[in-house]
Amino acid sequence: DTGVSQDPRHKITKRGQNVTFRCDPISEHNRLYWYRQTLGQGPEFLTYFQNEAQLEKSRLLSDRFSAERPKGSFSTLEIQRTEQGDSAMYLCASSPSPGTGHLREQYFGPGTRLTVT
Amino acid sequence: AQKITQTQPGMFVQEKEAVTLDCTYDTSDQSYGLFWYKQPSSGEMIFLIYQGSYDEQNATEGRYSLNFQKARKSANLVISASQLGDSAMYFCAMREGLNSGGYQKVTFGTGTKLQVIP
Repeated sequence: DTGVSQDPRHKITKRGQNVTFRCDPISEHNRLYWYRQTLGQGPEFLTYFQNEAQLEKSRLLSDRFSAERPKGSFSTLEIQRTEQGDSAMYLCASSPSPGTGHLREQYFGPGTRLTVT
Repeated sequence: AQKITQTQPGMFVQEKEAVTLDCTYDTSDQSYGLFWYKQPSSGEMIFLIYQGSYDEQNATEGRYSLNFQKARKSANLVISASQLGDSAMYFCAMREGLNSGGYQKVTFGTGTKLQVIP
């Protein structure tokens, strides 16, 4: 399977704990995106990487959130001191760079569903 | 103003019938792209169809077609011959800044839940 993968698929944690999610994009894609999706809503942009550089961050990304893509391949999203409001589906997507493929869509992973109790 | 507006929270359609899911958008960019995604209950986002702002023809992909009316800023999805497996959430999305070399912002609507009735 050469699609985007995410791990874990589900995470239940207690309020105040730290959690880390991983995303493995499609190997030839240099662009990687994180989104958050709450119940009944569409995905909301969190952050964007081009290779290892984090080029855009949403205001939704509070100081408790940090994302990395150290070698320009996989990415991690960490949430510190989780709150109940962090409960959501966290989606990762990747896309090829301009000129190497088409810009038509982002390829999404299956998501990590976070529940904070 | 909302970038992407989907006014139908839920829709029902009889199996084998056609259904139109509405989407209007707002942008000042000249170059942008419009997408539709399907999200089944399992959660993955499945790409369905794409329309570029400069594409003169309406996009089609199998049973999916996009009714693009640029002047009205609408990009409705038409699903023909509905199947039970089409029951899912459907999201309209827009990518702006296609001419920029950097981040191209993608904004999603709130979705329409489609239920296909046997």
